[in-house]
Amino acid sequence: NAGVTQTPKFQVLKTGQSMTLQCAQDMNHEYMSWYRQDPGMGLRLIHYSVGAGITDQGEVPNGYNVSRSTTEDFPLRLLSAAPSQTSVYFCASSFSGAAALNTEAFFGQGTRLTVV
Amino acid sequence: QKEVEQDPGPLSVPEGAIVSLNCTYSNSAFQYFMWYRQYSRKGPELLMYTYSSGNKEDGRFTAQVDKSSKYISLFIRDSQPSDSATYLCAIPSNTGKLIFGQGTTLQVKP
Repeated sequence: NAGVTQTPKFQVLKTGQSMTLQCAQDMNHEYMSWYRQDPGMGLRLIHYSVGAGITDQGEVPNGYNVSRSTTEDFPLRLLSAAPSQTSVYFCASSFSGAAALNTEAFFGQGTRLTVV
Repeated sequence: QKEVEQDPGPLSVPEGAIVSLNCTYSNSAFQYFMWYRQYSRKGPELLMYTYSSGNKEDGRFTAQVDKSSKYISLFIRDSQPSDSATYLCAIPSNTGKLIFGQGTTLQVKP
C-alpha cells in the first residue's frame, strides 16, 4: 500500500493563478480531509469529505474548492492564489469520521506552496 | 477560546531528560485523545491514543488524561535526539473531525 499520496511536493504560483493539489489514497478510506499548516497555527481543516459525492467546509474554506468523485481521490483546487495561501498543505484519510479509535488519520507527505 | 490549546514551544532539552508535553481542551464531552508526531518536512503520524481518563504507556512514552481538569499530557522518558520533532495533540469531535493543538516543537540535544 502506498497510503496517502500527494502531488506535487513543491509548487510556486503567481498571485491570481489557479491550481489543483492532488491527493489519492489506496486504503479504501471513506473519510478524507485537507489541512493547511502554518507556523504557530497547527493544522487547520480546510475541507473534508465523508464519502464519494459528499464534501463539507472546515475551519478555513475560503479560496478553496474540493470535489470527491471517487473514494480514492480528493483534489483541492485553489481558485485564484493569494500570498495568504502560502502554506504547507496536508491531505489525510481515515477509515471513518466517527469519534472512535478508528479515526486515526493517515497523512500524506505534504505540498509546500508559495504564492508570490 | 480554541477547543484545543497547546504551547507551541520550542522546547529544548538535553539527551536523557524527561519531557512533558501538554494540551488543554474545552469540551468535557471529548472521550478520545491522540498524540501525533511530525518529523521535519513529513506528515504527522499517530504516536499514541487514550480513551477517557488514566494513563497509557508504550515504551518510553506515556500518555495521560485528566478529564476533571481537561488536561492531557505526553511524557517522554530518557529522551533521545531521534525524538526531536513536533508533537501535536488531537481530539476527534463528535462530528468525526480531528481537532489539533498548535503543536510543540521539541529538540533533544546530544
